[in-house]
Amino acid sequence: AQKVTQAQTEISVVEKEDVTLDCVYETRDTTYYLFWYKQPPSGELVFLIRRNSFDEQNEISGRYSWNFQKSTSSFNFTITASQVVDSAVYFCALRRCTNAGKSTFGDGTTLTVKP
Amino acid sequence: DGGITQSPKYLFRKEGQNVTLSCEQNLNHDAMYWYRQDPGQGLRLIYYSQIVNDFQKGDIAEGYSVSREKKESFPLTVTSAQKNPTAFYLCASSTNSQGGYVPNEKLFFGSGTQLSVL
Repeated sequence: AQKVTQAQTEISVVEKEDVTLDCVYETRDTTYYLFWYKQPPSGELVFLIRRNSFDEQNEISGRYSWNFQKSTSSFNFTITASQVVDSAVYFCALRRCTNAGKSTFGDGTTLTVKP
Repeated sequence: DGGITQSPKYLFRKEGQNVTLSCEQNLNHDAMYWYRQDPGQGLRLIYYSQIVNDFQKGDIAEGYSVSREKKESFPLTVTSAQKNPTAFYLCASSTNSQGGYVPNEKLFFGSGTQLSVL
């Protein structure tokens, strides 16, 4: 069985602070995808990043960066110099490469960035 | 612009009533999904369809039904058998309907329907 754990239920920071959202996953598969999605107050989830299990290269996109550590089954997400617009619920998700569509989502982390 | 349209945004169900949530996509995606989101929880898969006229149960299919008569449409019916239907329902689609590795594969989501019980 697959499982995704986002231990941080809520995080509150002041604008311009850096913040890291943790994601730990469990799977018996050797190949899989990991995702991060953002859910703003409007409700629609927005794709942020996908990482393949066979590619451990970390990635930076503007103020966002992701640290994939296969050895610890973690896929953490860092926002540098946070902004009020970053306030949202962030979900980490895991999908097997052999089972189309059945992504397993964590319970989400609610990030509040205060001005 | 291509995307997924869910309607209505808000829906109220009376006791014993069936209600249908609409999901339409113009992304030409083969795969479509329905998720349920409860407060403070992640998304749970209700049903998914990899191709027209075919669909599979997800993790919490009891009390729900779907159809996939057209590629662009995947309506969800919440039946009276679903005793706790109050939740936020999200429809999604993706290019990858067969599993395996597909470059740039990801889920595209609609803006959701909030269903409440009167």
